[in-house]
Amino acid sequence: AQSVTQLDSQVPVFEEAPVELRCNYSSSVSVYLFWYVQYPNQGLQLLLKYLSGSTLVESINGFEAEFNKSQTSFHLRKPSVHISDTAEYFCAVSSFGNEKLTFGTGTRLTIIP
Amino acid sequence: DAGITQSPRHKVTETGTPVTLRCHQTENHRYMYWYRQDPGHGLRLIHYSYGVKDTDKGEVSDGYSVSRSKTEDFLLTLESATSSQTSVYFCAISERRSSNTEAFFGQGTRLTVV
Repeated sequence: AQSVTQLDSQVPVFEEAPVELRCNYSSSVSVYLFWYVQYPNQGLQLLLKYLSGSTLVESINGFEAEFNKSQTSFHLRKPSVHISDTAEYFCAVSSFGNEKLTFGTGTRLTIIP
Repeated sequence: DAGITQSPRHKVTETGTPVTLRCHQTENHRYMYWYRQDPGHGLRLIHYSYGVKDTDKGEVSDGYSVSRSKTEDFLLTLESATSSQTSVYFCAISERRSSNTEAFFGQGTRLTVV
C-alpha cells in the first residue's frame, strides 16, 4: 500500500518570502512522486514530478522539490512567492507497477501582500 | 490545455435519484479516472478505466458505477444519490499508466445532494 501525508493544511506566507510545503510518503516499492497545483475553481495541473535520475526537480515557475529517499520526503520549495502562487497544492505518489495515483490531503498556500 | 470536458459543471439533485456525470476527451488517451475531492481528504479515486469496456474500482467505489463504451467517454453513475456523495468530482486522463506519466484533469463537477 502507498500513502501520502501533507501535514500542513494551510500555509500563509508574505509576498516575496520563501516557502516550503511538506510531503512525506510511504511505499514498499520504488515510487514516482508528483506535485499538482489547483488554482481557485479549476482542475489540477501538474507542477513537477520525480520519476528517476536527479533527485532535485524544478518547475517552470520557480518551484523545486527534492526527493529524499532516506526521509521518504518530497518537499516543495520556492525562494520567493508571488500573489499568483495562491492555490492549493497536492502531493501524489504512485509505485512501480501500480497505475493509481494516491493524493495527499492538500496544502492551501495563501500569499499575504 | 488537454481536451477534457466534464458535464454538467454543477448539479443539485435529491436524495435517492440517479445521477450520471460525463467526461469527454479529445486526446485519445487510454486511461481515464474519476476522483472525488472533499475537504480534509484530498482527491480519492472512485473508478478508473484502462480501455473501452475495461474498468476497475478505486478506493471509494461503493455507491458508484462507471461505463466506457467509447474511448472518448467515461460515465460515472450514482444509482441512488446520498448526501454523503455531495462533492466535487474530477475526471482525469493519461496516455499511459498514471504511475509514471502526467494525468490531465477536467474542470470538475460540483454535485450537491439535498
